[in-house]
Formats: sequence, C-alpha cells, structure tokens
Amino acid sequence: SAVISQKPSRDICQRGTSLTIQCQVDSQVTMMFWYRQQPGQSLTLIATANQGSEATYESGFVIDKFPISRPNLTFSTLTVSNMSPEDSSIYLCSSTGGNYGYTFGSGTRLTVV
Amino acid sequence: KQEVTQIPAALSVPEGENLVLNCSFTDSAIYNLQWFRQDPGKGLTSLLLIQSSQREQTSGRLNASLDKSSGRSTLYIAASQPGDSATYLCAVGGGNTPLVFGKGTRLSVIA
Repeated sequence: SAVISQKPSRDICQRGTSLTIQCQVDSQVTMMFWYRQQPGQSLTLIATANQGSEATYESGFVIDKFPISRPNLTFSTLTVSNMSPEDSSIYLCSSTGGNYGYTFGSGTRLTVV
Repeated sequence: KQEVTQIPAALSVPEGENLVLNCSFTDSAIYNLQWFRQDPGKGLTSLLLIQSSQREQTSGRLNASLDKSSGRSTLYIAASQPGDSATYLCAVGGGNTPLVFGKGTRLSVIA
C-alpha cells in the first residue's frame, strides 16, 4: 500500500498567519483527501484533491481559507490561512490504496496562539 | 448521506479480557469498511480492511466482521493488553470516494 510522508508533524503559529502542510506519496494516486480532527472529535473531510483540477470542498470549508494544491500524482499541499485559535486541530491527508484500503499521513498537530 | 455510529464511546476493561467494539452505518452501498487505531495526538494506523464482498478479516488478536445488509460491523479484540489502549475508528467508503468516519471508541486496558 502507499506510504504518505506528511510534514510538519506539529507547529505552533501566531493568529493571522498561514501554515502550509505537505504530503508526499511514494506512488502515484488519483485522489487525495484532506481531513481535520478537532480536539476530542472524529475526522471531518475538508476537501478532495484531484491532480489537474480544482479541489472539491465540503460544506463549511472554503478555498480562501484552505487553499489546496495538487501539482502531480504524488504530492499535495493544504494551507490554513489567516489562522485563529479555532483552527487548532490535527490535519491529515489520505489517499486511496486500492485493495489495501486508505492510507493516511502521520498528521500535523497545529496550535494557534 | 452516510452516517457512521460507534458504540460504546468509551470502554475500560482489565487486562486479558476479550472485548467487542461496534460500528453501524446507514447506507449499505459501501465498497469497504476499514478499522483504524489512533493514539493520542497521532495519525491513523490501519488495522483491518473488509471489502464489501467479504464477511470478516483477521489479524493477530483482532477480528472484524461485516454485515452489509444490516449495516453493522464489529471489531473483536482478544486477550486485551495495556498497549491496546487507544481510540478505535470505524470508517466506510471506497471506490475513490472519501471515507466517512464514526466518532470512535476510546479504549483503556488496565493492567
């Protein structure tokens, strides 16, 4: 199954700034997904990212706040823009793995102060 | 819209006990069901994947079953150990659609 390297693993950021999270997959994958996990909660889908097209965002998430890039079949980034303390969460990327199921990055633990 | 429910929300057992975690989903048109483990502040580790044509999967002390018609899955953990303490997440999806997650069961195994 695919292996995803996600970085940074954690960061503490000042409110009003932006953070870009990167995910590198060790094989080509058609679709990648970005999730947010708020403290004590389960995973909520932010958007689906296909290579060569704009990401598709879920209700409650907008491109201006969470711009996503997918320049090729092995890489994607999520930017959390103009951060506030409410953005403090774990952010995870994922890809489909065919018969092996879905694979996840190790997560980025973001704290906004 | 698919909804996934996990029961119980939290569970505390003494070491050595066998235990069952439950997962139910509202739309039976799924490609697969996947169980994950998450340690505090960490990412997800895939435990078992059950494809829609399968009824169960086993890995070591873990056994997961799937009943698509009733929209249910169970994760059975045999001879629990303190190292099994974590949050267990059930998710359904597949076919290049994103997974839909339950809220998880927080398991504590007491030595």
